[in-house]
Amino acid sequence: GIQVEQSPPDLILQEGANSTLRCNFSDSVNNLQWFHQNPWGQLINLFYIPSGTKQNGRLSATTVATERYSLLYISSSQTTDSGVYFCAVEPTGRRALTFGSGTRLQVQP
Amino acid sequence: DGGITQSPKYLFRKEGQNVTLSCEQNLNHDAMYWYRQDPGQGLRLIYYSQIVNDFQKGDIAEGYSVSREKKESFPLTVTSAQKNPTAFYLCASSPGLAAQETQYFGPGTRLLVL
Repeated sequence: GIQVEQSPPDLILQEGANSTLRCNFSDSVNNLQWFHQNPWGQLINLFYIPSGTKQNGRLSATTVATERYSLLYISSSQTTDSGVYFCAVEPTGRRALTFGSGTRLQVQP
Repeated sequence: DGGITQSPKYLFRKEGQNVTLSCEQNLNHDAMYWYRQDPGQGLRLIYYSQIVNDFQKGDIAEGYSVSREKKESFPLTVTSAQKNPTAFYLCASSPGLAAQETQYFGPGTRLLVL
C-alpha cells in the first residue's frame, strides 16, 4: 500500500517562531488532508489540499502532487499550536485515508 | 449542534468479552469510518462505510465487526478475537462518495483491557 512519511517526528519551538512540516507519499493521490490532534485527542481538519497552496490565518499548506510531497507552514507559533500534526492521503482507487505517523509539536512560552 | 458523538469516553473490557463502541452523526453524511490509534502512532483504518447497509474492511479489520443499519449510526464491536484491543478509537464521517471531501472526527473512545 501507499507509504506516508512525515518529518520531523518531533519539534520544539519557542513561541513566535516559524516552522515547516513535511509529508512525503509514495504514490498518486486523489485527496490530501492535514489534521491537528490536540492533547485531548480531538482531530481537527486544517486543510484539504490535493494540490496547490492554501492559507488560513497563520497556517498555510502547499502540495506538489507531481513530486509527491506536501508542506505545512506554521508562522508566529503559539502555545495553543501544540499537539500532533497528521498528513493523510487517499490513494487513487481507494476510498479511505491513509495517515502518516505525525509530527509532535511543542511550543514553549 | 451538528457533529459526531462517540460513547462512552472510556471503556473497560474484560478478557474474552465483546464490547460495542457507539458513533452517531447528525451531519447527514453518507460515509463513516472507524480508526484505531495506538500511543505515539498515526491512525489506522479498521472499517468504512460509503452508504447504508454496506461497509468495507480497512487495513486492520481482524477482530472487529461493524454494522450500518442507519445513515447516522456506525457502531463498532471489538470482539474477543482482537487480542490487543487497548487503544484510542476514533470515528469519522464525510459528506459522500466524491474524493474531494473533508473528514470530520468525533472525540474518540479510549478502550482499556482489565
